[in-house]
Amino acid sequence: QVQLQESGPGLVKPSETLSLTCTVSGGSISSYYWNWIRQPPGTGLEWIGYVFNSGSTSYNPSLKSRVTISVDTSKNQFSLKLSSVTAADTAAYYCARAAYGEEAFDIWGQGTMVTVSS
Amino acid sequence: DIQMTQSPSSLSASVRDRVTITCRASQRINNYLNWYQQKPGQAPKLLIYAASTLQSGVPSRFSGSGSGTDFTLTISSLQPEDFATYYCQQRYNIPWTFGQGTKVEIK
Repeated sequence: QVQLQESGPGLVKPSETLSLTCTVSGGSISSYYWNWIRQPPGTGLEWIGYVFNSGSTSYNPSLKSRVTISVDTSKNQFSLKLSSVTAADTAAYYCARAAYGEEAFDIWGQGTMVTVSS
Repeated sequence: DIQMTQSPSSLSASVRDRVTITCRASQRINNYLNWYQQKPGQAPKLLIYAASTLQSGVPSRFSGSGSGTDFTLTISSLQPEDFATYYCQQRYNIPWTFGQGTKVEIK
């Protein structure tokens, strides 16, 4: 069965770039939307954006100027870069899969906590 | 952006109670509405998609209904493992957005 696993630094300094990778195992990275979603401590969920296996992307306008999501099909991985981070970007970051035509997040990674602090 | 508003924000209920959570969209979204359950320290889990379709493996005590702007998630007989926070999410327009969550607590 398909599993997702986030990886990356748990601590990022203000103004630097947050970089995370999601590794897809147990299945192909093709024909799905591959998403990043975050959740600040004690609050709700915010969709960051997705990459399709073709490389096409869509981003939340609230973050669009700072976000890049990319895919590496040869490694079955996709990645998130969020630039110029502040304390407001402190959150649990999840990667998640969504099927085309359903756009429901049916498989999630366990999440990784990223703290922005000097 | 489409705003999703859930009510109540929290509720207390007993095992075997019937529980209903409401989600309202700020504009019509047809049936492009999904429901998730999240337990502390865990990732959300998909329960229902397309407003009323039960995700594979989800117990049949969960059901969803609605179309347009008003949607409900019903748990017909609350079980101990159902105490969690529930979120609705619209996929009608980018950015996909979530409700603020409804926390179901033990009475």
